Amino acid sequence: NAGVMQNPRHLVRRRGQEARLRCSPMKGHSHVYWYRQLPEEGLKFMVYLQKENIIDESGMPKERFSAEFPKEGPSILRIQQVVRGDSAAYFCASSPPPAKMNTEAFFGQGTRLTVV
Amino acid sequence: DQQVKQNSPSLSVQEGRISILNCDYTNSMFDYFLWYKKYPAEGPTFLISISSIKDKNEDGRFTVFLNKSAKHLSLHIVPSQPGDSAVYFCAASARTGGFKTIFGAGTRLFVKA
Repeated sequence: NAGVMQNPRHLVRRRGQEARLRCSPMKGHSHVYWYRQLPEEGLKFMVYLQKENIIDESGMPKERFSAEFPKEGPSILRIQQVVRGDSAAYFCASSPPPAKMNTEAFFGQGTRLTVV
Repeated sequence: DQQVKQNSPSLSVQEGRISILNCDYTNSMFDYFLWYKKYPAEGPTFLISISSIKDKNEDGRFTVFLNKSAKHLSLHIVPSQPGDSAVYFCAASARTGGFKTIFGAGTRLFVKA
């Protein structure tokens, strides 16, 4: 009964490189959320996806950031041309379909991205 | 645009006493509220939740109170234990908003032995 799996746990990228963060939801969960936590701040919503569909991306920066949740495989958060300000902890959470009302999301352990 | 606010960055409590963590929200469409607990270098873990049709939910040492008219909720931990020391996040979601969950900035709780 594996929980939400995120990899890598730590990722170091040089400015201008691309960062790919992966998230495998819990078994039976079809909905994935990505959050970003900057140092000393709370969790900021980025994007909410279900399989092959972006439901809400209102928290995603307009440029360089994209997310997908393909039919097969993990959800990917992709950051192109990283800058120092992208350094943060990125958390993924998953939940059952909304038809099961009022259920909580389960979080992974996060990926700590450091841009040098 | 902080829809969920936790105005106390930190709270220090003696072991055995009550811890009260507060949270305010602005969006009247929120109908489901949650508290998460987070240890350093780990992901948040779900603690307790409450639907807007209730004003109280209790689970062991943890009780969440909801005051809809004041748009305020609180988490009570009694008795507090040193292992409760962590960051606590208040969160809210609206079914009409597609279940997107908005988090507060967190309150760091220190329980002194």
